[in-house]
Formats: sequence, structure tokens, C-alpha cells
Amino acid sequence: KNEVEQSPQNLTAQEGEFITINCSYSVGISALHWLQQHPGGGIVSLFMLSSGKKKHGRLIATINIQEKHSSLHITASHPRDSAVYICAVNSGGGADGLTFGKGTHLIIQP
Amino acid sequence: EPEVTQTPSHQVTQMGQEVILRCVPISNHLYFYWYRQILGQKVEFLVSFYNNEISEKSEIFDDQFSVERPDGSNFTLKIRSTKLEDSAMYFCASSEYLRVLGEKLFFGSGTQLSVL
Repeated sequence: KNEVEQSPQNLTAQEGEFITINCSYSVGISALHWLQQHPGGGIVSLFMLSSGKKKHGRLIATINIQEKHSSLHITASHPRDSAVYICAVNSGGGADGLTFGKGTHLIIQP
Repeated sequence: EPEVTQTPSHQVTQMGQEVILRCVPISNHLYFYWYRQILGQKVEFLVSFYNNEISEKSEIFDDQFSVERPDGSNFTLKIRSTKLEDSAMYFCASSEYLRVLGEKLFFGSGTQLSVL
């Protein structure tokens, strides 16, 4: 069973700061997802990646398959980025369901 | 952008009652999922559904749970006899292509189920 660990659990930063959230997993995967969960509870998919790096606006996601590690970066952070960021993995081997991390609660203060 | 729609947004029920949570996945998607999140805990996989049958289910998805796609558009989760510990946010999700490719998931906004 894949164990997904995220760090930090909570992060408070000032507007404009560069943010990094980390995710590590224990077993090889077919894909890793970064998700954003807002206070109302809804979940939005940010990235799905299986290798390398993806960028969308101010968000960058990287993954190192050998090290079983991924990072989510936010450049020029803004209060509207405040949310819970969740890492989830597809373990492959025919497994459908995602295994989720506990999430990182990010607060960006103006 | 197309979206996954879930109804109701909130459901309150008495212990032992049956509940049906409803989802309308994105129309050209082939894979459907239910996840749940108990307050303060991580999101957990319940079940996946493809080609009108369950593809995979977790240990949580016991005989009290069932899923159905009754009419080609709706995707439902039924809990036969609710327990207090079933109280959670239930998320429906769908994806377009083969799950083994690790496709992007589209989530609904969730149904908050409260069992009293």
C-alpha cells in the first residue's frame, strides 16, 4: 500500500513569497496528482504528472520518480492561493483509486 | 468548462436510513469514482466504475454501499443503512481515458452527508 506524506502540514506566508509544498510516496506510481481544496470543500485538479515538470500560470509541479518525490511551487503568492493543497498518487498495476496525502493548509497573508 | 455535478449539496439523515447521492459526470467521460472525506481526515477512495460495472473498490465499500448508473447520465452512490461514521463529504469524480494512464480527474463539489 502506498504511503503519501506531505510537508509542511501548515504553512503561513506573506503575499509575494515563493511557496514550496513537498510530497513523498513509498511505492512506485503511474501518476501523481496535485489538487486544490477550497474552504467550501470542492476539489480542483491542478496537475497530473508522471515525469518531469509542468507549469500553469504561477504554479509549477515537479516530480522525481527515482526519489519518489514531488514538489508544488507557487510563485508570487497571493491571498487567493490560500487553500489546502493535496498530493495524490495512482499506484498503477491496475489500481484505479488515488491514494491521498493529508494535505498542506496554506494561508497567504496580505 | 464542463463540470461534474453533485446533488444534493447537503443531506441530513437519521441513522439506519437509506440515502442516495447523485452525480452527473462529464458527458464523454468513461470512468467514474466515488471518494469520501471524513471531517479533518484525508480523502479516501471508495469505488471506481467502468462499462457499467464496478472496476475496483476499497475496504470501506462494504455491502452497505452500492453504485449504479441507471440512465446513462446519472451515477449514484447508495448507502443502505447509514451509520454515524458514514458522516462525511462524498465526492464524485470522472475521467475520460484509461485509468492506467493516470488521467486527470474532474471532481464534483461534493455532498456533505450528516447522519444523526
